[in-house]
Amino acid sequence: DAGVIQSPRHEVTEMGQEVTLRCKPISGHNSLFWYRQTMMRGLELLIYFNNNVPIDDSGMPEDRFSAKMPNASFSTLKIQPSEPRDSAVYFCASRLGLASGELFFGEGSRLTVL
Amino acid sequence: GENVEQHPSTLSVQEGDSAVIKCTYSDSASNYFPWYKQELGKRPQLIIDIRSNVGEKKDQRIAVTLNKTAKHFSLHITETQPEDSAVYFCAATLGDAGNMLTFGGGTRLMVKP
Repeated sequence: DAGVIQSPRHEVTEMGQEVTLRCKPISGHNSLFWYRQTMMRGLELLIYFNNNVPIDDSGMPEDRFSAKMPNASFSTLKIQPSEPRDSAVYFCASRLGLASGELFFGEGSRLTVL
Repeated sequence: GENVEQHPSTLSVQEGDSAVIKCTYSDSASNYFPWYKQELGKRPQLIIDIRSNVGEKKDQRIAVTLNKTAKHFSLHITETQPEDSAVYFCAATLGDAGNMLTFGGGTRLMVKP
């Protein structure tokens, strides 16, 4: 398996633009997570899905952020409109099952909002 | 919810010395404690984990200890090497009841040759 695949790897955009980050989890994994990493706040859990259903989105900073998982092999994180303070590395991760176990991270999407 | 504190935030050691990173957690129900290593510009990767029914676990040069009474756990790296230089994150979760893996703030370890 190629692991968790994220795109784009880098995105530079202007304030106010819509940003869509994409993730393909490891085949067979039924839990998917979106994290945001910044120097100031470390690794923050934004939202996670189990069997394509959002379980907890309490980490989503505000209504400008939304996430979907239309099927078991694809998820998106959308920011509309984007702001400079959204600049961060966004990681998608997947895990087999709901219980504890290794979280497999993608390479991350580095977002810069000017 | 769970709160995980990690210390120190930076740690510099000489090659061959040992390094210890400590974490405390707030929710006594947490029962799964993984450690992730993140090299510069890379993704976090699991290096070792421990469950609450175990007090210590070793894997070659790394070990993790858990004190459930005091609600703290530690990562020990012996005979450090330059390739151990990275940011290390501890985490805690209610492994059975849910997925909420809460990470500590990270420790930047620098191993000087």
